[in-house]
Amino acid sequence: AQTIHQWPVAEIKAVGSPLSLGCTIKGKSSPNLYWYWQATGGTLQQLFYSITVGQVESVVQLNLSASRPKDDQFILSTEKLLLSHSGFYLCAWRDWGAETLYFGSGTRLTVL
Amino acid sequence: GQQVQQSPSSLVLQEGENAELQCNFSSTATQLQWFYQSPGGSLVSLLSNPSGTKHTGRLTSTTVTKERRSSLHISSSQTTDSGTYLCAIEVATGYQNFYFGKGTSLTVIP
Repeated sequence: AQTIHQWPVAEIKAVGSPLSLGCTIKGKSSPNLYWYWQATGGTLQQLFYSITVGQVESVVQLNLSASRPKDDQFILSTEKLLLSHSGFYLCAWRDWGAETLYFGSGTRLTVL
Repeated sequence: GQQVQQSPSSLVLQEGENAELQCNFSSTATQLQWFYQSPGGSLVSLLSNPSGTKHTGRLTSTTVTKERRSSLHISSSQTTDSGTYLCAIEVATGYQNFYFGKGTSLTVIP
């Protein structure tokens, strides 16, 4: 069975500090991977997607970047956090051409 | 512009009552999924239904593609159904971008 693990579960960071969030998918080869973000009370927005190692496409510009260093790993990062980066970050995967999107349990980020 | 609109924004039911949630979208959808978001934030896929009617357990989804609308019917609601129900569409095959609605917040009271 496939499992998706996100880390950390929660972060409290200062404005201007760096950030790295991670996501690992086990039990699935070459999944499509996605990063989503949800501001408190807001709509879930797709940030990035990747269909293969080393290739990441940006969907929404939020002064964040993403990388896929390994087939089963997706990293979201920034060198300087803004207050507006606060929210809930979710990683997701699905098979190419498949209907269903599967989500991790998310990381709650608070920027002070 | 807003691609996906959900109604109602919130709903309160007595346990055992049925719920009808609506999703309207402004673009043709090649994929449509209903998700449940728990109060803690995690998302679970409930149904994938780009067209027609699908059932699973107490859930029934009906999507009328040419009218750009979908509904989710929850029968015999339970307190554990409380949470937020999200509708998401993909506007083109391989587009790799799901647009989400703001959701319907459902509260089921005993």
